[in-house]
Amino acid sequence: GAVVSQHPSRVICKSGTSVKIECRSLDFQATTMFWYRQFPKQSLMLMATSNEGSKATYEQGVEKDKFLINHASLTLSTLTVTSAHPEDSSFYICSAVPVPGQGTDTQYFGPGTRLTVL
Amino acid sequence: QKEVEQNSGPLSVPEGAIASLNCTYSDRVSQSFFWYRQYSGKSPELIMSIYSNGDKEDGRFTAQLNKASQYVSLLIRDSQPSDSATYLCALDTMDTGRRALTFGSGTRLQVQP
Repeated sequence: GAVVSQHPSRVICKSGTSVKIECRSLDFQATTMFWYRQFPKQSLMLMATSNEGSKATYEQGVEKDKFLINHASLTLSTLTVTSAHPEDSSFYICSAVPVPGQGTDTQYFGPGTRLTVL
Repeated sequence: QKEVEQNSGPLSVPEGAIASLNCTYSDRVSQSFFWYRQYSGKSPELIMSIYSNGDKEDGRFTAQLNKASQYVSLLIRDSQPSDSATYLCALDTMDTGRRALTFGSGTRLQVQP
C-alpha cells in the first residue's frame, strides 16, 4: 500500500516550453503533497507544499509563477514548469502524506521525474 | 534555518561489517527523524523512523536518537553490496501544521564484496 506515482518519469524539452508533471497517490488520499527538487549530488530541496483545494505554499526563492502547482483532488497534484530553461533541468520528486486513518503519518515518495531542458 | 549535517562519504565497508552513518541537526524542536535510502537515479525510500531517544531496531537496521546531543545515527549490520546507496537523514519540521521534511545532503555508502 501507500503507492505514489509520477508521470512522466523522464522528459526532454526545448528551452522556452512548458512541462507538466503529475503526482498521484494510488491507494490513499492526501490533502497535502510536497514537491522537491534534487540537483546532481545534492540533497532534496523542498520547493512547495501543495494543499488540496487551496493555493500552494512556496519555499523562499522558488518562483510561484514559474512553478505552477495545482492540487485538484485528494489524489492528484500537478507541477507545471513554465518557460523551462536549462537551469531547470533536475530530478523532481513528489511526496504525499495519507489523510488520518488511511496510513501511517509518513511521507511516501513518488519515483521522480527527470527533466532535461535543452 | 534548520540544518541537517551528514558526512558525504563515501563510507566504504567490507561485506558483512557494520556500517555506521551519522547525522547532526541544529533545530532543537524537531520531533521526528527519518533515514531514507536512495539509489542512483531513484527517489528515496524510507528505511527507519525514530521519534524518541534511544535505539530502534528493524532487522539489520538500528536507528539511534539523542535529542540532547542533537544527533541521529543508523547502523547497518551484516552489510551487503545491495546496501550500497546514498543514505539521507531527514527531520520533520512540524512548522505550521505541515509535515515538510528537511534533508541532509546524504552519505554515500559503498559495501565492498
